[in-house]
Amino acid sequence: DAGITQSPRHKVTETGTPVTLRCHQTENHRYMYWYRQDPGHGLRLIHYSYGVKDTDKGEVSDGYSVSRSKTEDFLLTLESATSSQTSVYFCAISRQGRGQEGYTFGSGTRLTVV
Amino acid sequence: AQTVTQSQPEMSVQEAETVTLSCTYDTSENNYYLFWYKQPPSRQMILVIRQEAYKQQNATENRFSVNFQKAAKSFSLKISDSQLGDTAMYFCAFMKPSQGNLIFGKGTKLSVKP
Repeated sequence: DAGITQSPRHKVTETGTPVTLRCHQTENHRYMYWYRQDPGHGLRLIHYSYGVKDTDKGEVSDGYSVSRSKTEDFLLTLESATSSQTSVYFCAISRQGRGQEGYTFGSGTRLTVV
Repeated sequence: AQTVTQSQPEMSVQEAETVTLSCTYDTSENNYYLFWYKQPPSRQMILVIRQEAYKQQNATENRFSVNFQKAAKSFSLKISDSQLGDTAMYFCAFMKPSQGNLIFGKGTKLSVKP
């Protein structure tokens, strides 16, 4: 979607290294989300943000931290990557309110931890 | 806690035929939103259709329609005149307005065969 970009699109990293994924939106929306997608699990919420410096944990937050210092950027950090964090990571925004119209998703980041 | 169940991991349908994907959910809420998302091989998450729980009328978007049975907590997706481009993973999702987080099922992989 034109309003939301994720970087990088692919990344391979070694166990124990820190990794930061970036989500950037151009539309000044308040709510942003990080999900991970794994086979057999669908998408699960990691963290979300409801404004600058306002974040909260989701269902699978262990091993992840987030930061939002500007409205347009929402960063997801793996402090010390593990093989269990190999996944596809999606960022999403809510274009209206808290998402009652649904979310708009980025294109995803495929992260491989070796 | 809310849960979303998609009981069909994989389905296939012949081109031009109709297929129905099942979704059930568990909630004690009376007001909520339901969604179907499509994820083609490109990995992009695309909103297909949404339903507001307080609306009796089933949502329709072109060839896509839902059968929303609130008492049974069922939200199935019907795809009419299936096309090769409908080949994708389909995810059912639930949202409680006060929470604003999308809860996803594990997905159904749909293959449309020529």
